[in-house]
This record gives sequence, structure tokens and C-alpha cells, in this order.
Amino acid sequence: KAGVTQTPRYLIKTRGQQVTLSCSPISGHRSVSWYQQTPGQGLQFLFEYFSETQRNKGNFPGRFSGRQFSNSRSEMNVSTLELGDSALYLCASRPGGSYNEQFFGPGTRLTVL
Amino acid sequence: QQQVKQSPQSLIVQKGGISIINCAYENTAFDYFPWYQQFPGKGPALLIAIRPDVSEKKEGRFTISFNKSAKQFSLHIMDSQPGDSATYFCAADYLTGGGNKLTFGTGTQLKVEL
Repeated sequence: KAGVTQTPRYLIKTRGQQVTLSCSPISGHRSVSWYQQTPGQGLQFLFEYFSETQRNKGNFPGRFSGRQFSNSRSEMNVSTLELGDSALYLCASRPGGSYNEQFFGPGTRLTVL
Repeated sequence: QQQVKQSPQSLIVQKGGISIINCAYENTAFDYFPWYQQFPGKGPALLIAIRPDVSEKKEGRFTISFNKSAKQFSLHIMDSQPGDSATYFCAADYLTGGGNKLTFGTGTQLKVEL
């Protein structure tokens, strides 16, 4: 099976712009979670989607949003970018239900100038 | 508010030695404790995980020790190898309800020297 794929791998934006990141989970996986990784804050949970519904949400402002499509692919959107949004954004998928292990993608490196 | 504290921040171990990374959590509702390994340019990968009803779990050279009363757990890497050089994250989660909301520690950069 192919692993979790994320596009694009690298992105450069300027303050005030918005950005959309994409994640394709492992085939058959219904749960997709997003994490932000920065040197200062480490890995922080953004949100989880399961069967097109947001099931859990972390402590991030409303500028961060996401969605999941019927084929389980997910996108996350960040509006009105700030310098502090520069980070590695990781997507992780799992089958759902009681299966706990999450499989992470390689991430999208977002730089905000 | 950091719910999972991890130490040390960095660790240098000689080849063949034992690497030990410690974590402590605050929320007693956590019931799943995984460890992740991350290489540069890659996403984290699950290494080993434990539930609070078990005090120790071993998989190959990797062992998790869990102390429920102290709210602490640790990763031991036996016979450490240069290929183990990576960043290690402990984490905690609630399994109740089927959802996921992993809370990560701050990470430990491990370097295994020849």
C-alpha cells in the first residue's frame, strides 16, 4: 500500500495570504489528523476528521480549518497567514475505530515571509 | 499548558550503550502512550506503544516502562546503534470515544556515536 502523501512538500507564502494543504491517506483509512510541528512548540494537534466530520479539534485559532472528502482525502486551510504559522504541517491517517496507530506523511513545509 | 513533559532534550550515547528517555504526564484520563521516531525530512513513525494496564512492553531492542502511580513512562533503547540517531517523541492520547487527539512531548534528539 502507498503511504500517506502530502502536497505540496514545500510552500512559500507572504503574510496575509491564505494557503491550502492536501493530504491523501492510506487506502482504506477513514481517519485523518493534522499536526503542526515547530521548533518552539513541538508537535501540536490541529484537528481530526473521520468520515467527513470533524471529530476532534486542538487549540488553534479559527484561521485554521479543514475538511475531508468522501474519498477520505483531506485539506487544511490557513487564512490570513502570520509569520508564526511557518511550520511543518503533518497529516496522519489511521483506519479508524479502535485501531490506534497513526501513519504520518512526510509533511508540508510552509514558510511565511 | 504542556501535558506531557519529556527529558532530556538531547542525548549522546556510545554505540552499544543504553539510551533512556523519560516522560511524565498530568492527565490521568490518558490511556494510550506511544513513542514515535522521526528522521530528518520524514514524518514521525510509531515505534512502540503501551496501555496503562501494563508496566512494561518490549519489542526487540526497544522497551517501554510505565509507572501509573507516578504518571511516568520511559523508553529504553538497548544496544543503541548509529541508525537509531533520530528525534524521539513520547505522546499520550484518550482512546475513549474512538477519537484521536495525540498530545506530544517536546522531543529528544538522540545521537549514537561510534
